[in-house]
Amino acid sequence: QKEVEQNSGPLSVPEGAIASLNCTYSDRGSQSFFWYRQYSGKSPELIMFIYSNGDKEDGRFTAQLNKASQYVSLLIRDSQPSDSATYLCAVNYGQNFVFGPGTRLSVLP
Amino acid sequence: GAGVSQTPSNKVTEKGKYVELRCDPISGHTALYWYRQSLGQGPEFLIYFQGTGAADDSGLPNDRFFAVRPEGSVSTLKIQRTERGDSAVYLCASSPGHNNEQFFGPGTRLTVL
Repeated sequence: QKEVEQNSGPLSVPEGAIASLNCTYSDRGSQSFFWYRQYSGKSPELIMFIYSNGDKEDGRFTAQLNKASQYVSLLIRDSQPSDSATYLCAVNYGQNFVFGPGTRLSVLP
Repeated sequence: GAGVSQTPSNKVTEKGKYVELRCDPISGHTALYWYRQSLGQGPEFLIYFQGTGAADDSGLPNDRFFAVRPEGSVSTLKIQRTERGDSAVYLCASSPGHNNEQFFGPGTRLTVL
């Protein structure tokens, strides 16, 4: 069974705080991991991708991958109200991709 | 440059009818994916094309669903004998290659009455 799990939330953080979003997956053979942001009524937009164990930083965003523990996380520093959205984790399984259900993040002004 | 486009943006049809949904990927992207998304859920994989061929169609729910990409660019998702359970947002994404980042179109909201 190909599974990608995320806490559905909502996760509420105050403006300026660090938001931490987590994702676990079931297939040790997965090679590619993606984080997407989806605003209500809109399509997903790519935030970051990561292929190797460790951290990858891009501006206020840091993706962390631990293949041994089969989890990938996304940290958002200095959270802004405009970051309020659903964050989707996607993992490749062979030729296709499986998305998690998403975590709804609310950044409170 | 232009992003992924999908038409129509909304489609309302009656149970039992046939529908076609179109996806125009980013120019030069060889990989094309179809997903469907229901409210409160993540996108559900349907089919992946590499060039003109369907490299993985394991996500198509049954034989009422079919997709083509005859020239390796535009793709059409076809649904026969629509059912109310087919109502969802159908998303198309393209990528410069498999396992690369995917860029999503705006989606087609399908409503089956």
